[in-house]
Amino acid sequence: KNQVEQSPQSLIILEGKNCTLQCNYTVSPFSNLRWYKQDTGRGPVSLTIMTFSENTKSNGRYTATLDADTKQSSLHITASQLSDSASYICVAHGTGGGADGLTFGKGTHLIIQP
Amino acid sequence: SQTIHQWPATLVQPVGSPLSLECTVEGTSNPNLYWYRQAAGRGLQLLFYSVGIGQISSEVPQNLSASRPQDRQFILSSKKLLLSDSGFYLCAWSGEANYNEQFFGPGTRLTVL
Repeated sequence: KNQVEQSPQSLIILEGKNCTLQCNYTVSPFSNLRWYKQDTGRGPVSLTIMTFSENTKSNGRYTATLDADTKQSSLHITASQLSDSASYICVAHGTGGGADGLTFGKGTHLIIQP
Repeated sequence: SQTIHQWPATLVQPVGSPLSLECTVEGTSNPNLYWYRQAAGRGLQLLFYSVGIGQISSEVPQNLSASRPQDRQFILSSKKLLLSDSGFYLCAWSGEANYNEQFFGPGTRLTVL
């Protein structure tokens, strides 16, 4: 069964600090992995998409890594800002994940404190 | 550029009442369209998927139905709402480019009382 597990469930850090969110997936066959940012009460917004051949991809202060061998991904946020407070959702794309091919994690709820 | 709209933004409905949520996409043609539900503490659950006008795939048995009367319009409906239908409903679209990357709408918060 395709699964995506994210950790931690929630995280509180001080503004300006760095943090790393984790994602483990079991999706086969695997196509790509996506990270979304979802502000409270809003739709998710794509941060990165990585195929199995990509190890890292950056989007501003967000850097995602992917290890297709261990089926792990991480999202690193540098110099956090108050606006980074949101849920971060990891999504694995594979042909066995339903009509959309996607398996969603439950998200990590990140709170940035001033 | 492409944009996706959903309305209403919030909705409070009594049990047993009908439902109609609308989603429209601008700036693209023949998109794949999706309806998701997001319950508190849970991941997004795919409800319906459409690759074209009148073509609807249902992923889970439920009290809801979907229709696609026009290329860029996707409607989520129910004849009689249940308490368990409460949640955050998201519409999304994807195209052929960039691994069918999905773009989500702003969502509708539905509360059934």
